Amino acid sequence: GAVVSQHPSWVICKSGTSVKIECRSLDFQATTMFWYRQFPKQSLMLMATSNEGSKATYEQGVEKDKFLINHASLTLSTLTVTSAHPEDSSFYICSASPLNEKLFFGSGTQLSVL
Amino acid sequence: KQEVTQIPAALSVPEGENLVLNCSFTDSAIYNLQWFRQDPGKGLTSLLLIQSSQREQTSGRLNASLDKSSGRSTLYIAASQPGDSATYLCAVLNSGNTPLVFGKGTRLSVIA
Repeated sequence: GAVVSQHPSWVICKSGTSVKIECRSLDFQATTMFWYRQFPKQSLMLMATSNEGSKATYEQGVEKDKFLINHASLTLSTLTVTSAHPEDSSFYICSASPLNEKLFFGSGTQLSVL
Repeated sequence: KQEVTQIPAALSVPEGENLVLNCSFTDSAIYNLQWFRQDPGKGLTSLLLIQSSQREQTSGRLNASLDKSSGRSTLYIAASQPGDSATYLCAVLNSGNTPLVFGKGTRLSVIA
């Protein structure tokens, strides 16, 4: 079945540094990938839609200059949390789907900003 | 705007009991509905996918039903086991390539 790989699984960083999270579709091409964020005991909330070869679409309230998304190929999207702060600590997860099939999710990235 | 609600927020049952988790959504014009399992600090595992034209799907001890007109879905777990303890998320897809809208989940604890 389709596989979405997300890396790293967890990361601890100092406040003010930038963190890059990768999301790869391993056995299919994905023109669109989605990035979600989940705070403890909360639902997953969509942050942005990543479009291959064009700019990402951000949800209301998500700062595009802080959460940089790059979708340079049909199998890779990256989310960079720039100048991370403790309030950015969260669980980040990406998803993608082969055309007209169900969505598959990465294993998630737990970000802790000290 | 689609909203997904899951009831109850948390549930604790003894091992062996059958249980039902509920999911409701406000916009009945959905493309499909999925049930996921999430273990603490982990990603999501897709359990069952119901297309809008279907009424139920079964996988092992799990059965999910869909009543699109009333905006409801249920996940039935038979003969629950401690290994079933996790958070169960319901999510709906409104059209082919749009993001899923998730409920807040039901945190299930099955006590041995």
